Amino acid sequence: DQQVKQNSPSLSVQEGRISILNCDYTNSMFDYFLWYKKYPAEGPTFLISISSIKDKNEDGRFTVFLNKSAKHLSLHIVPSQPGDSAVYFCAASPNSGNTPLVFGKGTRLSVIA
Amino acid sequence: GAVVSQHPSRVICKSGTSVKIECRSLDFQATTMFWYRQFPKQSLMLMATSNEGSKATYEQGVEKDKFLINHASLTLSTLTVTSAHPEDSSFYICSARGGGYSNQPQHFGDGTRLSIL
Repeated sequence: DQQVKQNSPSLSVQEGRISILNCDYTNSMFDYFLWYKKYPAEGPTFLISISSIKDKNEDGRFTVFLNKSAKHLSLHIVPSQPGDSAVYFCAASPNSGNTPLVFGKGTRLSVIA
Repeated sequence: GAVVSQHPSRVICKSGTSVKIECRSLDFQATTMFWYRQFPKQSLMLMATSNEGSKATYEQGVEKDKFLINHASLTLSTLTVTSAHPEDSSFYICSARGGGYSNQPQHFGDGTRLSIL
């Protein structure tokens, strides 16, 4: 049973517009959430995270929103750039130092110039 | 920022060969390292969690004797695929996280593409 779900396998957005990537989770013990970006044949790169005590965290063009009651988080990228084209993984974990992250299946974002 | 180095980046070898993959944390001490496997167009599948100085914890369905993990120091973990066969061909990625119980992201190496002929 998937605990972290990214229901959209792909997303296309025009350059300059907003990209919104969604993620849902089922485990109520999760309280730390992250987004990673991955290019082909490379390891994932950490983008941004959010703790369950917050509902929004912003870092430059990237903003993550968390809705705990709905068990939903989203990543907003604005303005989108062609270099943002990659696979984005949502990940979650309970607040425990040695617990591995649980990943979604990823969403492939294509930003069209 | 935190850097994790993984080596080699690509391995092509014959069936029956054992392959060792190294994962190093370059600018922080990693009390915990994780090994993942990724099949084409699929998510990252956790294989095992290794803690420095103790035995690795393997996920269900991962053969301990097939995938040997050693985490002998705070900056190095190794994954050895023993007697590799074509079905072991995959993209293997390690990640590391520093110590403590505050929220910290896992940082990933660039992965190792393993191709068994």
